[in-house]
Amino acid sequence: AQSVTQLDSQVPVFEEAPVELRCNYSSSVSVYLFWYVQYPNQGLQLLLKYLSGSTLVKGINGFEAEFNKSQTSFHLRKPSVHISDTAEYFCAVSVSNNQGGKLIFGQGTELSVKP
Amino acid sequence: DAGITQSPRHKVTETGTPVTLRCHQTENHRYMYWYRQDPGHGLRLIHYSYGVKDTDKGEVSDGYSVSRSKTEDFLLTLESATSSQTSVYFCATNGLAGGRTDTQYFGPGTRLTVL
Repeated sequence: AQSVTQLDSQVPVFEEAPVELRCNYSSSVSVYLFWYVQYPNQGLQLLLKYLSGSTLVKGINGFEAEFNKSQTSFHLRKPSVHISDTAEYFCAVSVSNNQGGKLIFGQGTELSVKP
Repeated sequence: DAGITQSPRHKVTETGTPVTLRCHQTENHRYMYWYRQDPGHGLRLIHYSYGVKDTDKGEVSDGYSVSRSKTEDFLLTLESATSSQTSVYFCATNGLAGGRTDTQYFGPGTRLTVL
């Protein structure tokens, strides 16, 4: 079975500082990986995804993530955060042979950007 | 983004009453999903559908049933609501072209409180 662990439940950071949100997964088969963002009182929006190819994936709003197969990680990074990045971030995994497209989510990381 | 609406957006009900949540999409996506979101658990899959009248259970399906009589509508029913079903419920869709996992698009959510 697959599982996803987001190592930090809350990450406070000052505006314009860099940030890394950590995600580790467990799977015995190839996976697809996703990061979603949820702003207060809204649904989830895709930030970026890794399906295949380059292990460095760039997404919206200046975020990027790197797929590391040996460490089974998919950490999300941004070199300089803004107040508007305050949100909850979810890492998710789907196995590559999963015809149902079902996602398994991590517990979420609450990013709080302070002025 | 896929046009996904959920109704109602908020509902307060009493223990033991039946409740039906509706998800409506305008993108003709084949796959639809119901998740619940609870603090510390991220999103967990309740049920999903891979076509009209084709549904399957997810991770936390006990106490829930679903129906899909049209491509655009996916209904989630709580047969007899309990306080443990107080949660935020999200619907999602997936075009899943060619059988590969692709982006899931999320609705705005329904906040359900069971007293």
